[in-house]
Amino acid sequence: EAQVTQNPRYLITVTGKKLTVTCSQNMNHEYMSWYRQDPGLGLRQIYYSMNVEVTDKGDVPEGYKVSRKEKRNFPLILESPSPNQTSLYFCASSLLSGSKRGEQYFGPGTRLTVT
Amino acid sequence: AQRVTQPEKLLSVFKGAPVELKCNYSYSGSPELFWYVQYSRQRLQLLLRHISRESIKGFTADLNKGETSFHLKKPFAQEEDSAMYYCALSGQGAQKLVFGQGTRLTINP
Repeated sequence: EAQVTQNPRYLITVTGKKLTVTCSQNMNHEYMSWYRQDPGLGLRQIYYSMNVEVTDKGDVPEGYKVSRKEKRNFPLILESPSPNQTSLYFCASSLLSGSKRGEQYFGPGTRLTVT
Repeated sequence: AQRVTQPEKLLSVFKGAPVELKCNYSYSGSPELFWYVQYSRQRLQLLLRHISRESIKGFTADLNKGETSFHLKKPFAQEEDSAMYYCALSGQGAQKLVFGQGTRLTINP
């Protein structure tokens, strides 16, 4: 089954404790992206990647890091989480060409709470 | 710069009534527009895109370049349409997808 998976689905952590949220897709998509969803603000892009070893900042990259060492994986790293990073995080992927280009497939979301 | 505006955070209509979710965009080139839907406790999923010109679950959306709008419409709302709806824009040739703030649609019985 074609899908985007994220782990963990729920995470409660403390300020300053480094964490990683994994994202994996099995559709051979070139493009992957991370969003955060906050009430009243909709979805905001954190980072995106057009291919392996190619990443770029989105609208709200501060406090986050990403890497794209393999095509299928795109982990989100919070080196020193702070309470304002408490949010619902979504990973997404899509093709870059063809009739389905730009149609993003989303993961189930990771609810992060930083205390 | 790309920008998407959904002026209504909340929209409530009765079952069987027509529904229209508004979306306006700002983009200097030729945009690609999408509507995504998020049902309760589910992940976001693509509802439709303007290029395909399809009707999905009874919903349609027409790109109006003159008014820079991409409103989502359905003639007869159903209770299962209750969800969060996001309008999104991608610039031509680019994959950066910009989302609006979303509209929560509630269909009352």
